[in-house]
Amino acid sequence: AQRVTQPEKLLSVFKGAPVELKCNYSYSGSPELFWYVQYSRQRLQLLLRHISRESIKGFTADLNKGETSFHLKKPFAQEEDSAMYYCARMDSSYKLIFGSGTRLLVRP
Amino acid sequence: DTGVSQDPRHKITKRGQNVTFRCDPISEHNRLYWYRQTLGQGPEFLTYFQNEAQLEKSRLLSDRFSAERPKGSFSTLEIQRTEQGDSAMYLCASSSAGGGSEAFFGQGTRLTVV
Repeated sequence: AQRVTQPEKLLSVFKGAPVELKCNYSYSGSPELFWYVQYSRQRLQLLLRHISRESIKGFTADLNKGETSFHLKKPFAQEEDSAMYYCARMDSSYKLIFGSGTRLLVRP
Repeated sequence: DTGVSQDPRHKITKRGQNVTFRCDPISEHNRLYWYRQTLGQGPEFLTYFQNEAQLEKSRLLSDRFSAERPKGSFSTLEIQRTEQGDSAMYLCASSSAGGGSEAFFGQGTRLTVV
């Protein structure tokens, strides 16, 4: 089965600490991968996608085909980064397959 | 607001009743998706339209669920004879054609079956 795995339900860090949210996928080809974020009381929104290789709000994510991973990283966490983060893969019919999400809590 | 809108935002219904949700996508988007999200889980795909054609349905979508997008614009999701297990957040998303296009999500309809 095509799966996206986010092993951590909760990640708690102090402000200014580095953050790494883990994501692993099961797919043998070239996946299209995304990170979506949901801030408190807001709708789910795209944070970044691997094909654009961009940095958004200081976050980056690198596709590692050997490890089938797409971890989300930020060198210095800010309190406003506290949110639910979902890793997702787009399949051939353009639907998204989501992981179960990781809650990031950045403490002052 | 030109984003995806969903109505109602909340619905409480008694077991056995029918409910219908509406989604208005971003106007130029021809793809529309329904997802369901339960507590502690990520959104799970239910069904997908390209224009008015329903192209794919998940096995999660039992016979009690039906979705339509009659004119390729707004969509409705109906659940008949609701069960407590149907309690969830129902999310709608839309995107334009083309691989890797960003999916824009609505704020969801939270269904509680009592």
